Amino acid sequence: EVQLVESGGGLVQPGGSLRLSCGTSGITFTNAWVTWVRQPPGKGPEWVGRIKDYTQGATTDYGASVKGRFTISRDDSKNMVYLQMDSLKTEDTAVYYCATGLCIGTSCHWDDAFDIWGQGTMVTVSS
Amino acid sequence: QSALTQPPSASGSPGQSVTISCTGTSSDVGRWNYVSWYQQHPGKAPKLMIYEVTTRPSGVPDRFSGSKSGNTASLTVSGLQAEDEADYYCSSYADIKTLVVFGGGTKLTVL
Repeated sequence: EVQLVESGGGLVQPGGSLRLSCGTSGITFTNAWVTWVRQPPGKGPEWVGRIKDYTQGATTDYGASVKGRFTISRDDSKNMVYLQMDSLKTEDTAVYYCATGLCIGTSCHWDDAFDIWGQGTMVTVSS
Repeated sequence: QSALTQPPSASGSPGQSVTISCTGTSSDVGRWNYVSWYQQHPGKAPKLMIYEVTTRPSGVPDRFSGSKSGNTASLTVSGLQAEDEADYYCSSYADIKTLVVFGGGTKLTVL
């Protein structure tokens, strides 16, 4: 069974930093674009950002609310994707999910249809 | 405040049909045929139910269907079953400040 597994969540003070990790079993990340989505308690999801694969330069894009504070990176040798979160604010409190797009044959919906998700990791920003 | 607007709640009896709306703008829902719908049970990750407005991934029952008109997309659940009770979220490709926008969610109750 294909699975994604997030780790690294926890309690952090405003202004602090945290690094989340996203690993996988059953698939390799080598050719995959990986997206981070967060969901504040009781609210709808919010797209955080995405990293393309290395054939696309491992380029990243970010949501407006995290741009300049969050950084996504990847290490394909370890089959891992990371979300570095700096200058954290109370409004960053959420469950953070990594996800990847639906692929049918060689056609993949990297940016519009996420069919493999992790279980999520909770990040709480509070003093 | 979420970028896409959904009604906070919807309900129906077993066997009935219910439709959930998702209203965006001409920059997201109205511009792209990349609307997706997700089902989320408490404490679980979202599950993809519909993509490209109308397409069901393998394994999703055909009781679930999607449509779009202008800036509003819709999810219809026919023949409601108890296990359909969940939160439903729409999303759309946007390609502006944020590549993907989500709705605030609709809690579907099966009476």
